[in-house]
Amino acid sequence: DQQVKQNSPSLSVQEGRISILNCDYTNSMFDYFLWYKKYPAEGPTFLISISSIKDKNEDGRFTVFLNKSAKHLSLHIVPSQPGDSAVYFCAAINSGGGADGLTFGKGTHLIIQP
Amino acid sequence: KAGVTQTPRYLIKTRGQQVTLSCSPISGHRSVSWYQQTPGQGLQFLFEYFSETQRNKGNFPGRFSGRQFSNSRSEMNVSTLELGDSALYLCASSLAAGHYNSPLHFGNGTRLTVT
Repeated sequence: DQQVKQNSPSLSVQEGRISILNCDYTNSMFDYFLWYKKYPAEGPTFLISISSIKDKNEDGRFTVFLNKSAKHLSLHIVPSQPGDSAVYFCAAINSGGGADGLTFGKGTHLIIQP
Repeated sequence: KAGVTQTPRYLIKTRGQQVTLSCSPISGHRSVSWYQQTPGQGLQFLFEYFSETQRNKGNFPGRFSGRQFSNSRSEMNVSTLELGDSALYLCASSLAAGHYNSPLHFGNGTRLTVT
C-alpha cells in the first residue's frame, strides 16, 4: 500500500512559468514533509520541508503548500528554470515514530522547456 | 566539505552471492541511513545507524544487514543475492538521528546488478 503518492510521473513546463508538483499521502500520522530533487547519476538533494503545524513554507523560488484535511501537498517553483529539470520526490515521516525512515513517493520527472 | 561517498559505484554479482557496500558520511555526521531505489518500488528505507547502533529497520528480509563503525562510516551487506535485489542503493548522512531533525545528504549510490 503506497502511503505517499505522486500521481504524475512526468510534467512539462515552459521556462519562466510556474511548475506545480503534487503529492498525496494516506497516513494521518505523517507530520513532517520534505521534497528532494534528483539529477541522473546523482543522489537526491534536499530542497524544502514543511511541518504539519504550518500550511506554507517558502525558500526563494520554491514554496511548499500543505493541506492537512485533504492530505495533499504541492511544490511550486516560480519562475521555472532549465536547471530545474530533474526528478522530484515527495517524502513524509511521523516525527514521533521513533526511528522511522522517510516514506517516499515514486517521483515526478519535471521537464522545463526553453 | 566532501559529500557522502559510496563505493563501489557499480557492482555485478551472481544470484546466491553476497555483497558489501560502503558509505563514508559527511565529516561530523553521525547518522547514516540506507535506502533502496528500484523503478517499481521507488525509494525504500532500509535502516538507520547512529553512534554505531541500528535505530530502526525497514520492511526488508534478514538478508539485508548493516553496521556502523566508530568513525561513522557504514557498510551494508546483502547475503544470498536474488535477482530482485538489483537496485540503486543510496546512503545518506545527517547531523542528527531521525530524518526530520536535519536534512539527509545522499551519496550518488551503488548500482547493484544481480544476474
